[in-house]
Amino acid sequence: EAGVAQSPRYKIIEKRQSVAFWCNPISGHATLYWYQQILGQGPKLLIQFQNNGVVDDSQLPKDRFSAERLKGVDSTLKIQPAKLEDSAVYLCASSATSGGYNEQFFGPGTRLTVL
Amino acid sequence: AQSVSQHNHHVILSEAASLELGCNYSYGGTVNLFWYVQYPGQHLQLLLKYFSGDPLVKGIKGFEAEFIKSKFSFNLRKPSVQWSDTAEYFCALITGNQFYFGTGTSLTVIP
Repeated sequence: EAGVAQSPRYKIIEKRQSVAFWCNPISGHATLYWYQQILGQGPKLLIQFQNNGVVDDSQLPKDRFSAERLKGVDSTLKIQPAKLEDSAVYLCASSATSGGYNEQFFGPGTRLTVL
Repeated sequence: AQSVSQHNHHVILSEAASLELGCNYSYGGTVNLFWYVQYPGQHLQLLLKYFSGDPLVKGIKGFEAEFIKSKFSFNLRKPSVQWSDTAEYFCALITGNQFYFGTGTSLTVIP
């Protein structure tokens, strides 16, 4: 079974630039999550999708972050404009359905450096 | 607000030593608790989980954790660690659709 795919694996940009990350979840998984993991901290949930609808985005800084999951499969997370404090690893995870009962499978992450 | 605390940030053990990593959470309602592990260069993966029932849960690779409701704790244990257990360990709390991870504990096992 193929795992969660993410690209790019690394990205370096200057502040005020825009960046986008892509995630392809495990086939058939209805729920998709985006996390931000700052160095030395645990992952912080940014947004959760159930199929192509948003379940929770209360931790997403909506003034600069946006995410979409068209057709309930792939998802993109965008930052525009980026700030220095956005430097982090952005993790995508998927699970069969929503709720804590279902194991989340994580991708390798995208490491973003904002200069 | 809900939170998860992992007080051990870095742990160094020799092989065959026993391991206990602390995890405390703050939430008064029903909780689902998880331990995730991230081996060097690999993805986060699930070690074990607690939803209800027996408070002592067993996971992969000989790990276990005990849910003690009165102490709001979910400590991870392994009786004898191996060099291959060197990794970052994260405790996580799920309530409804909200997920909270601890800051992680870095474990180094010396051969």
